[in-house]
Amino acid sequence: KNQVEQSPQSLIILEGKNCTLQCNYTVSPFSNLRWYKQDTGRGPVSLTIMTFSENTKSNGRYTATLDADTKQSSLHITASQLSDSASYICVVSRTSGTYKYIFGTGTRLKVLA
Amino acid sequence: NAGVTQTPKFQVLKTGQSMTLQCAQDMNHNSMYWYRQDPGMGLRLIYYSASEGTTDKGEVPNGYNVSRLNKREFSLRLESAAPSQTSVYFCASSEVGEWRYNEQFFGPGTRLTVL
Repeated sequence: KNQVEQSPQSLIILEGKNCTLQCNYTVSPFSNLRWYKQDTGRGPVSLTIMTFSENTKSNGRYTATLDADTKQSSLHITASQLSDSASYICVVSRTSGTYKYIFGTGTRLKVLA
Repeated sequence: NAGVTQTPKFQVLKTGQSMTLQCAQDMNHNSMYWYRQDPGMGLRLIYYSASEGTTDKGEVPNGYNVSRLNKREFSLRLESAAPSQTSVYFCASSEVGEWRYNEQFFGPGTRLTVL
């Protein structure tokens, strides 16, 4: 069964601290993996995309990693800011099949001052 | 560039009422999607349109119908609303091309409550 599981479900950290969000997937055939940020009351916005051959990709203070062998990805946020408070959604795309985008349930991050 | 727009932003319906959610994109994308997002669940695909003139069922199509009016617009209709359809609905669009790099662009969502 094609699934994307994220952990933790929610996380609270202090401003300036780092954190890492996890994404494990059992999706095949694998095409790519995206991390989205979803602010409250808004639609998701893409942060990074990683294909099979990519191990690490950065977007400012966000760094995503991918281990295609273990089917795990992580999103590391450095020096967190209040504006990082949001839900972070891992989405794995398939190269074939009826439902090509498989969504995780997200990690809700809250950054406190 | 407005990206993906959705109307209305909020809606309250009574059981059995009908309504249409509107979605439009100005990025000249070929593919458009309708998702619903419920607490504790990932976004679930209701219907999608790979290109103008085509529509296909997604994961949870029951109780919904769609119309791809033209390349820009993709509407979602609830013919007889039920409380189980209380959710946040997102429209998205993406370009057809190198599959590895397709990014979905999402609208701001419609929060629907069915009483």
